[in-house]
Amino acid sequence: GQQLNQSPQSMFIQEGEDVSMNCTSSSIFNTWLWYKQEPGEGPVLLIALYKAGELTSNGRLTAQFGITRKDSFLNISASIPSDVGIYFCAGRPYSGGGADGLTFGKGTHLIIQP
Amino acid sequence: EAEVAQSPRYKITEKSQAVAFWCDPISGHATLYWYRQILGQGPELLVQFQDESVVDDSQLPKDRFSAERLKGVDSTLKIQPAELGDSAMYLCASSRRDRGRRNEQFFGPGTRLTVL
Repeated sequence: GQQLNQSPQSMFIQEGEDVSMNCTSSSIFNTWLWYKQEPGEGPVLLIALYKAGELTSNGRLTAQFGITRKDSFLNISASIPSDVGIYFCAGRPYSGGGADGLTFGKGTHLIIQP
Repeated sequence: EAEVAQSPRYKITEKSQAVAFWCDPISGHATLYWYRQILGQGPELLVQFQDESVVDDSQLPKDRFSAERLKGVDSTLKIQPAELGDSAMYLCASSRRDRGRRNEQFFGPGTRLTVL
């Protein structure tokens, strides 16, 4: 099935550094979401974006819905050890027909060195 | 805080055997989704239910996979017979699906399936 283009695939950073990751698609999405997944667990919703150009923050996390509706980025400021995990972008299509399953990226694996 | 419940958390089976996974969505959530996540990949949708009706099963391998949500609440996903390539995490998600609302999907902890 289709997966979004998410980059980078992995990041090795020092504690305290800022992090940036992005996601692109060949298709337009109605909603962009960012999830975090830890080993052996399901994805946890971090931020949801509903309008082109929207910029939304959740604590140290900031995400933006691209103006073309085909991309989104996530920034994490001042990283801490508990930020370790895999971050996934996901797009939701317009659901006039009711079907609104998410299309996910392949994930960005964030590793923080103390 | 309400959560999506899934069981079992782990399942090991031999190929050609039948397996079943159970999901109980967040109370009041009318829409339920099953996703499959292969190691190193993002989740991929298998099937979506609205109440007891299937909305989208276009990516469900119907020769061996089946899903039901008979009373519009909890759901069961079955694989028969299991193949080696079915080894993956099976995730259930639910959303409110109210008109005009922003219907985020919330995921359960998943069932990790290993087929030997």
